[in-house]
Amino acid sequence: AQSVTQLGSHVSVSEGALVLLRCNYSSSVPPYLFWYVQYPNQGLQLLLKYTSAATLVKGINGFEAEFKKSETSFHLTKPSAHMSDAAEYFCAVSDLNDKLIFGTGTRLQVFP
Amino acid sequence: DTAVSQTPKYLVTQMGNDKSIKCEQNLGHDTMYWYKQDSKKFLKIMFSYNNKELIINETVPNRFSPKSPDKAHLNLHINSLELGDSAVYFCASSQDRTSGYYNEQFFGPGTRLTVL
Repeated sequence: AQSVTQLGSHVSVSEGALVLLRCNYSSSVPPYLFWYVQYPNQGLQLLLKYTSAATLVKGINGFEAEFKKSETSFHLTKPSAHMSDAAEYFCAVSDLNDKLIFGTGTRLQVFP
Repeated sequence: DTAVSQTPKYLVTQMGNDKSIKCEQNLGHDTMYWYKQDSKKFLKIMFSYNNKELIINETVPNRFSPKSPDKAHLNLHINSLELGDSAVYFCASSQDRTSGYYNEQFFGPGTRLTVL
């Protein structure tokens, strides 16, 4: 069975600092991996996705993630946090039946 | 233009009632989903339909019945509502994997259901 684990339910950074949100996956087949963002009282928006092409994936709003098979990781990073990045971030893996299996989410707070 | 829309956005009702949530997508996708997000923000899939056919049915109580009148619509009907049904319900859609596209899912804005 596939699963994802997000380390850290809350991450706080200062504006301008590096953002690092951690995600490790478990999958018996080459996975499709995703990062979604959920702003308060809104639906989920896809930030980026890994689909077995380039291991470094660039997404919207300056975010990127690197697929590391040896570490079974797909961490999300952004060089410089902005106040507008404050949201809930979900890592997800897709199984063979096309259903998304989500992690428990990481709330990112950005302080001025 | 809204890609995936849900109605209503908020739904407050009493225990024991029956309610429906509607979902529509105008993306031309073949597959639609319902997810439940609980109070701790945990998201879990409930159902998926592909071209009006049920594909995924997770361990969801029989009180929940999805209905897909056509591939652009997937409604969720809930009978005999319970306190534990209070959550945010998200509809999503994606292109069919067999078409050669990866299964990027597009989510609706969610319906916040509160059972009193």
